[in-house]
Amino acid sequence: IAGITQAPTSQILAAGRRMTLRCTQDMRHNAMYWYRQDLGLGLRLIHYSNTAGTTGKGEVPDGYSVSRANTDDFPLTLASAVPSQTSVYFCASSEQAGGTDTQYFGPGTRLTVL
Amino acid sequence: GQNIDQPTEMTATEGAIVQINCTYQTSGFNGLFWYQQHAGEAPTFLSYNVLDGLEEKGRFSSFLSRSKGYSYLLLKELQMKDSASYLCAVRDSNYQLIWGAGTKLIIKP
Repeated sequence: IAGITQAPTSQILAAGRRMTLRCTQDMRHNAMYWYRQDLGLGLRLIHYSNTAGTTGKGEVPDGYSVSRANTDDFPLTLASAVPSQTSVYFCASSEQAGGTDTQYFGPGTRLTVL
Repeated sequence: GQNIDQPTEMTATEGAIVQINCTYQTSGFNGLFWYQQHAGEAPTFLSYNVLDGLEEKGRFSSFLSRSKGYSYLLLKELQMKDSASYLCAVRDSNYQLIWGAGTKLIIKP
C-alpha cells in the first residue's frame, strides 16, 4: 500500500539521549518535510528537502538535523534531546516542492522527553 | 510576522451546516489548503484554493477571498464522523505552508 510510514509510533526518551525518527515514503515524491505539532499551536516546519541530496531549515530547526540520501527516506535526528522537544512529529511528502502539490502525512511519532 | 487565525472550537448538530473561518496574514500567497485531522491521527487533505471563489467537493466546500485574506470551509449534512480538527494552511512566497492552530469541531446528535 503506497504511503508514508514512520517509526517508532511512540517513544519515551531520557533528556540528553540521541534519537532518530524514521520516515519512509514509497510514492516517489521529490519533496519531504518534518513537522512538530504541539497543543494550541499549528504545525511547525522543522526541516524540509525539496529533492534527494538537498535539505533546508524550517521555522524551528534548532536541536534537530536531517539527511536525504535517497528519494524514499528522510530521518530526523535529535542529537541531545530536551524536554521542550516533547511533541508529536509528523513526516510529510509532496510530489514537488511548490505549485498545487498536496502534502501527504505519515501517522506520526509521539515523543516524550523526560 | 505571519499569522493564521481560526476559532479554537465549534459545536454543531448532526445534519446541520457549519462554517469554519480562517483569516491570514502571510508574506506572499500561493494557495490555501484545508486539512482534516481526527484525534490521534495524521492530517488528511480536504481542499485547495488559489483563486477567489468557491470550490465544492461533495458535502465540503471551501471559499477564498484573497483581497480580504479570508477563507471558510463549509460542511453540509454533518455526520458524527465529521467530529475532528480542521486545519487551515497558507503557502507563502517561499512555498512553505504556514499552519493555523486548527478548529476542533464537535458534532452533537
